[in-house]
Amino acid sequence: AQTVTQSQPEMSVQEAETVTLSCTYDTSESDYYLFWYKQPPSRQMILVIRQEAYKQQNATENRFSVNFQKAAKSFSLKISDSQLGDAAMYFCAYRRNYGGATNKLIFGTGTLLAVQP
Amino acid sequence: DTEVTQTPKHLVMGMTNKKSLKCEQHMGHRAMYWYKQKAKKPPELMFVYSYEKLSINESVPSRFSPECPNSSLLNLHLHALQPEDSALYLCASSQRTGLTYEQYFGPGTRLTVT
Repeated sequence: AQTVTQSQPEMSVQEAETVTLSCTYDTSESDYYLFWYKQPPSRQMILVIRQEAYKQQNATENRFSVNFQKAAKSFSLKISDSQLGDAAMYFCAYRRNYGGATNKLIFGTGTLLAVQP
Repeated sequence: DTEVTQTPKHLVMGMTNKKSLKCEQHMGHRAMYWYKQKAKKPPELMFVYSYEKLSINESVPSRFSPECPNSSLLNLHLHALQPEDSALYLCASSQRTGLTYEQYFGPGTRLTVT
């Protein structure tokens, strides 16, 4: 079974600094997607960034970038120039292709990020 | 419009009550999902609907009964719940259930069972 591990329950960063959140996963599949979701205190889950396993190039979205190491099964999120609005719970998630009508997201346990002014 | 709406925002119910949670999207998505999230835990998938048909039931107790009356609406009917069912219930939708389709989440319904 696929598992997703986030080993940092809580992290803190100073405003304008850079922080990296860690995620590792376990799978025997070759075709899958990885995601980082953000859940602010308002509770609405928002997709931050996604990575397709067959793409070697690391995904970037503005201040957010990932370091995808497929062989090591590692998928870390780097937030540059941290802002107060980045404070949230961050979930790493994995999704594989079951084929057809099934699609299941498997989440890690989350990392609570605090941003200090 | 990438919005998934959920009503009510908060719900308190007794163990003998019957209530329903509602989820709506107008993005033309044909896949809809129910998740349960306990405090400080990740969401756990409960049900997946694809083209208004139930495609995944993650062994959820029968006191939770999903319904998808049309492509825009997803309900979760609740009956004889237990206090441990208190949680945030999240709805999500995606264009299809395939691997490449992003899931959009609603804000959730905070359920308290007394």
